[in-house]
Amino acid sequence: EVQLLESGGGLVQPGGSLRLSCAASGFTFNNYAMSWVRQAPGKGLEWVSAISGSGDDTYYAYSVKGRFTISRDNSKNTLYLQMNSLRAEDTAVYFCAKDRPGAIDYWGQGTLVTVSS
Amino acid sequence: QSALTQPASVSGSPGQSITVSCTGTSSDVGGYNYVSWYQQHPGKAPKLMIYEVSNRPSGVSNRFSGSKSGNTASLTISGLQAEDEADYYCSSYTSSSTLYIFGTGTKVTVL
Repeated sequence: EVQLLESGGGLVQPGGSLRLSCAASGFTFNNYAMSWVRQAPGKGLEWVSAISGSGDDTYYAYSVKGRFTISRDNSKNTLYLQMNSLRAEDTAVYFCAKDRPGAIDYWGQGTLVTVSS
Repeated sequence: QSALTQPASVSGSPGQSITVSCTGTSSDVGGYNYVSWYQQHPGKAPKLMIYEVSNRPSGVSNRFSGSKSGNTASLTISGLQAEDEADYYCSSYTSSSTLYIFGTGTKVTVL
């Protein structure tokens, strides 16, 4: 059974940093690309970032490019999202997700990030 | 890059069929067969319902079907049931460096 467990969310001040983690199990982690998707309170889904199975290729939404960094440790079956220079508009539930070609087939339960002073 | 366009809401009575549209451009929906659909109940994580335009993952009811014509993709739910009441999002691969784009979301209400 595929399981994705996010951690690291919380309250942070504007301009601050936070690192999210996602522990994956139930599949061969290094064989699959992974993504982060977020959802602001009461709003729709927004794709944030993706990384290839090897970690060699990364992709970002324009809204986070230059501020967020996605990475993975295949020896630990763990996905990360380093978030710097956080803004109020980054407040959202962040979902860790397993990719299949052209889609996301499994989602974690999400971790809430609140950016506020 | 703007989100794909979906109607804000669609409703139907139990047993009826409804269709949710998802309009993009030739750089996303119209250019690739990587359109997917997700169902999200309140407070829950999204669930994949359709991938590659019209394919259903194992375990998803055959009451859900997908199609595409030009720059517009569609999700049809036949034999509408109370449990189908949820938010639905489309998504597409895009040729831009951002890789994926989601739709604005549609609230499906079962009357």
